[in-house]
Amino acid sequence: AIQMTQSPSSLSASVGDRVTITCRASQGIRNDLGWYQQKPGKAPKLLIYAASSLQSGVPSRFSGSGSGTDFTLTISSLQPEDFATYYCLQDYNYPITFGQGTRLEIK
Amino acid sequence: QVQLQESGPGLVKPSETLSLTCAVSGYSISSGYYWGWIRQPPGKGLEWIGSIYHSGSTYYNPSLKSRVTISVDTSKNQFSLKLSSVTAADTAVYYCARQGYGDYVGGVANWFDPWGQGTLVTVSS
Repeated sequence: AIQMTQSPSSLSASVGDRVTITCRASQGIRNDLGWYQQKPGKAPKLLIYAASSLQSGVPSRFSGSGSGTDFTLTISSLQPEDFATYYCLQDYNYPITFGQGTRLEIK
Repeated sequence: QVQLQESGPGLVKPSETLSLTCAVSGYSISSGYYWGWIRQPPGKGLEWIGSIYHSGSTYYNPSLKSRVTISVDTSKNQFSLKLSSVTAADTAVYYCARQGYGDYVGGVANWFDPWGQGTLVTVSS
């Protein structure tokens, strides 16, 4: 199975900050990567698919980049509602695998 | 608007079989897409369990494959999960989700959207 490693595992930031979360795959996965946001007690929400395509309805401050093994999720200007846990997911092949998550906390 | 809703027992005894159903509204499962199950142990990350196509074709996580069965009932517009021989390690919130897909230059992307609200299943005697 492809291993997905996110960094950092946790991150403290302030409203208005620019934040970047990284996801690395154990082998090349083309652009077959998505990003999800999860708030406590809620189901994950799709933000980005195909590495850089913004899901409909997701604010444009979220962006994704990367290809092959290294990917990033960037939030250009943190808003209060962005404090959550973020997961990457590879869909290059089965089994589909998630990163371990990055918890974004308020500084 | 597509909506998914998980249902099933919230408490299962060790060694027994966990059974959950995901009811889909706003979209006919027969029209296409894969449909998936994902779980999340309390305080931990997400684990993909498996996915099923409307025709019944399935993919399972090898780590669970010997214990998992996913089935679809197009007449009721729902799909189901059975996980046998459960232990405390199977205690988790179980989510169902639609597995969408689309072409991009160089490949095909898959994603999970929308998701059900999730249901907590506790394995305990």
